[in-house]
Amino acid sequence: DAGVIQSPRHEVTEMGQEVTLRCKPISGHDYLFWYRQTMMRGLELLIYFNNNVPIDDSGMPEDRFSAKMPNASFSTLKIQPSEPRDSAVYFCASSLTGRGYGYTFGSGTRLTVV
Amino acid sequence: GESVGLHLPTLSVQEGDNSIINCAYSNSASDYFIWYKQESGKGPQFIIDIRSNMDKRQGQRVTVLLNKTVKHLSLQIAATQPGDSAVYFCAEMFSGGYNKLIFGAGTRLAVHP
Repeated sequence: DAGVIQSPRHEVTEMGQEVTLRCKPISGHDYLFWYRQTMMRGLELLIYFNNNVPIDDSGMPEDRFSAKMPNASFSTLKIQPSEPRDSAVYFCASSLTGRGYGYTFGSGTRLTVV
Repeated sequence: GESVGLHLPTLSVQEGDNSIINCAYSNSASDYFIWYKQESGKGPQFIIDIRSNMDKRQGQRVTVLLNKTVKHLSLQIAATQPGDSAVYFCAEMFSGGYNKLIFGAGTRLAVHP
């Protein structure tokens, strides 16, 4: 298995532009998580899905952030419009059981908003 | 790589020594705990877990200790190697909730030859 695949690895965009981050979970996993990692706040859970349905989006910072999971093999995290304070590394993780030992993280997308 | 250059507490050890990384967790209702290792340019990687009905669990070269009275976790790494250099995170979960995994701030382990 190729693991959790995220794209792009790096994204540089101008303030106000729309940004879309992509994630392909491990085949067969039924949970998908989006995390954000920053110097100030560490690793924050933004949203997670179970069987493609959003379960808890209380970590999404504001309405500029949205996430979708149209099918079991693909999820997107969109920021529109982007702001410099959104600069961070965004990780996607998937799990079969919803428990920590089953979490497999992708390599992350480093987002820089200038 | 994807490391974020976190300004974290750093533990410096000599190769071959034992390392102890500590973590205080926040929710007294948490009943499942995990230690993750994050190397530069990579996502967090599972090391070892422990449930709240246990005080100690051992893996290969690693031991996790849990003290629920003071909400404290520790990770012990025996015979630390250069490949152990990374950022280590503890994470907690309340299994009766929404399976949210909440991460601690992390500790950087630097292993010197």
